[in-house]
Amino acid sequence: QKEVEQDPGPLSVPEGAIVSLNCTYSNSAFQYFMWYRQYSRKGPELLMYTYSSGNKEDGRFTAQVDKSSKYISLFIRDSQPSDSATYLCAMYNNNDMRFGAGTRLTVKP
Amino acid sequence: NAGVTQTPKFQVLKTGQSMTLQCAQDMNHNSMYWYRQDPGMGLRLIYYSASEGTTDKGEVPNGYNVSRLNKREFSLRLESAAPSQTSVYFCASTVSSYEQYFGPGTRLTVT
Repeated sequence: QKEVEQDPGPLSVPEGAIVSLNCTYSNSAFQYFMWYRQYSRKGPELLMYTYSSGNKEDGRFTAQVDKSSKYISLFIRDSQPSDSATYLCAMYNNNDMRFGAGTRLTVKP
Repeated sequence: NAGVTQTPKFQVLKTGQSMTLQCAQDMNHNSMYWYRQDPGMGLRLIYYSASEGTTDKGEVPNGYNVSRLNKREFSLRLESAAPSQTSVYFCASTVSSYEQYFGPGTRLTVT
């Protein structure tokens, strides 16, 4: 079993839809939870991070962490074609950083 | 301010050849990392350097060596390339460990 599980998709939605991306993990020691966005043939870029459990909102993006269920989510409201990318979840604790395999998202105009 | 830069962008090697991937950052970050990204596997840590003069193994270090040349530069060396090392390699740097800044990647093919 992988330490971080992420549905690879692909996920295709119409412009304006609400998108939900999810990851599960097995190591309860993780304290920081991140979402990275990766455009085709580019390096990942940090979108958001959350420390411990709870919600964090940044514009159209909301990150949720439920440590009791070992489950994290990223919601994208009013999705735009420019949101089309691969989204990687990541978790960190004490020099141990683990990434999910990524979910490829396409937002169609 | 270029952020994290990597050279080369693309490379094709024959089995057994050696090469060095170069990485430099201009953000004055202490920590630097090397990852490989393979389809369905996500990013996996090869080596990292928490500060100038120190390096540590990550999840998949076999077949690789690293050098932290100074605070700006962190290189990854393949001494004897194998087809299993065909991948996209990313360098990253950070001041906080969890907030990492990635370079554009090097696409390596080993035939």
